[in-house]
Amino acid sequence: GAVVSQHPSRVICKSGTSVKIECRSLDFQATTMFWYRQFPKQSLMLMATSNEGSKATYEQGVEKDKFLINHASLTLSTLTVTSAHPEDSSFYICSAPRGLQETQYFGPGTRLLVL
Amino acid sequence: AQTVTQSQPEMSVQEAETVTLSCTYDTSESNYYLFWYKQPPSRQMILVIRQEAYKQQNATENRFSVNFQKAAKSFSLKISDSQLGDTAMYFCALHNTGRRALTFGSGTRLQVQP
Repeated sequence: GAVVSQHPSRVICKSGTSVKIECRSLDFQATTMFWYRQFPKQSLMLMATSNEGSKATYEQGVEKDKFLINHASLTLSTLTVTSAHPEDSSFYICSAPRGLQETQYFGPGTRLLVL
Repeated sequence: AQTVTQSQPEMSVQEAETVTLSCTYDTSESNYYLFWYKQPPSRQMILVIRQEAYKQQNATENRFSVNFQKAAKSFSLKISDSQLGDTAMYFCALHNTGRRALTFGSGTRLQVQP
């Protein structure tokens, strides 16, 4: 199956700092990747669609200036949480679609804790 | 707008028995894909099974099978011969061909008892 990696797996930072999360498709190219946020015991909520070579598309209610997305290559998308605050603490998951059926393959997730 | 509803927040099943997880959805698209993903305690999302809406035949994958009722917009997952490793959160998801993103249900927490 397709492999998607995510780094770091866990990060603790101080309030006001910025944190960068990387999502890589290891064995396939992805012109589109997706970023989700998951609160404890809840479902995945789509934050934004990352597009290689163009601007990301954000879901309603997601602050573009707080969650910066850059799709630098066909295998790498990054999510930067700027000026992080405790309410940004969450589990962030990326995914990339592959194949005619658009099956999405997920990274292992990043647990962010903002103190 | 697309919606996915999972009405069973938690379910429990004895090892080796069969359990069915329910999912209903709503979409205005005529062609779409449906998925079941499991999320074990590690929180890694793992594909369980997928179904193309234009196929009438229900998808099967080893112990996992679906009952896809397109007219009723129902997509249930049956797990046969349940194993302890099946303990996880299960999410039903609908693929949006326009945005290419997934819409997830709220999830069903499945506990397999020894």
